[in-house]
Amino acid sequence: DTAVSQTPKYLVTQMGNDKSIKCEQNLGHDTMYWYKQDSKKFLKIMFSYNNKELIINETVPNRFSPKSPDKAHLNLHINSLELGDSAVYFCASSRAAGNYEQYFGPGTRLTVT
Amino acid sequence: QKEVEQNSGPLSVPEGAIASLNCTYSDRGSQSFFWYRQYSGKSPELIMSIYSNGDKEDGRFTAQLNKASQYVSLLIRDSQPSDSATYLCAVNQAGTALIFGKGTTLSVSS
Repeated sequence: DTAVSQTPKYLVTQMGNDKSIKCEQNLGHDTMYWYKQDSKKFLKIMFSYNNKELIINETVPNRFSPKSPDKAHLNLHINSLELGDSAVYFCASSRAAGNYEQYFGPGTRLTVT
Repeated sequence: QKEVEQNSGPLSVPEGAIASLNCTYSDRGSQSFFWYRQYSGKSPELIMSIYSNGDKEDGRFTAQLNKASQYVSLLIRDSQPSDSATYLCAVNQAGTALIFGKGTTLSVSS
């Protein structure tokens, strides 16, 4: 069984569209994250939820809105997509917030044309 | 601004040699330290975590932490071509997310 899964794996869309990426973890973890890896391979935190509560919200355009319906799921909705949003988006989870090991999903490659 | 610095490489070693990867961090309050391996087109895979000063060994991997010098390293013994990947150093201060370095590309030649 996949521990952290994401859908879709690839997403190609046009500027101005709205899209969502879904993430699910079956590890029983309390904390989930969204990271963005840009074309230079730099991995940066965007958001974190602990037991459905937003605990980290880095400087991200408000076109990006995370939602956690329960602690096993974390979705990312992006409005009015821009070229600069093209990147790989990774979901991750950890047992709890703080100093715990984080485990990553397979990633979603978003291409905005 | 919290920073994690790594030499981008590429670091090239022959098969069977020891690969040494280094990382420095700026936030003295950092409490946990991780090494991830990322193959091209894949997601980061956790290979080592270390929380206290000293060495931690797991198979062919040894992580070393020196909090006074704000320095973390990863040694890979008996390097194999399958170890060729980008190695990401990540640092966490309690209550915040992981801060990643830009990664070191390792190439092991057979």
